[in-house]
Amino acid sequence: GAGVSQTPSNKVTEKGKYVELRCDPISGHTALYWYRQSLGQGPEFLIYFQGTGAADDSGLPNDRFFAVRPEGSVSTLKIQRTERGDSAVYLCASSSSGGKGELFFGEGSRLTVL
Amino acid sequence: SQQGEEDPQALSIQEGENATMNCSYKTSINNLQWYRQNSGRGLVHLILIRSNEREKHSGRLRVTLDTSKKSSSLLITASRAADTASYFCATDSDAAGNKLTFGGGTRVLVKP
Repeated sequence: GAGVSQTPSNKVTEKGKYVELRCDPISGHTALYWYRQSLGQGPEFLIYFQGTGAADDSGLPNDRFFAVRPEGSVSTLKIQRTERGDSAVYLCASSSSGGKGELFFGEGSRLTVL
Repeated sequence: SQQGEEDPQALSIQEGENATMNCSYKTSINNLQWYRQNSGRGLVHLILIRSNEREKHSGRLRVTLDTSKKSSSLLITASRAADTASYFCATDSDAAGNKLTFGGGTRVLVKP
């Protein structure tokens, strides 16, 4: 595709529910990142994929968060038993060269947990 | 935790003026990048400066890097109302240079 696509753009859920957020990176980009951004703050690193494998998942806050990229393209961020503190914009980015070069960001998925 | 910290947190200027913002970081880096984010949108890459470079230009943007002080500055010359956005610095915080860590950002308002 022309750019990084994220769906849904907005998700409202209730506390305790399960949520999936999808990222479709730029075709051919091997590196894929998930970040979380709270209001008025900078993006916070969650996880980085190189191909199908999670090269660095040190930013995932706890075991309720999990991400997959089974075919090395589309990635899904999964959040179990959502809490109000999970409310944020979840940003996905892809790159052809990892952090050594430019990251291309999607528009984000805004998650609101009531 | 955030590697980079921008200063000031917010900046309000008139169209035509220059805008300068600074970024400080804590650990050694391979490169430092600046991104821009319009309200409610994703981030857009502006410029990358490598650790062995001291200054870089791109259009109306000028970036400097001082590795001895672990700091960088972004200068926007002759600002326009369309430059209103948040600006973030990002550094690679792992040895392989694959993980970018962002600062808290500077919110710039350019008044017409």
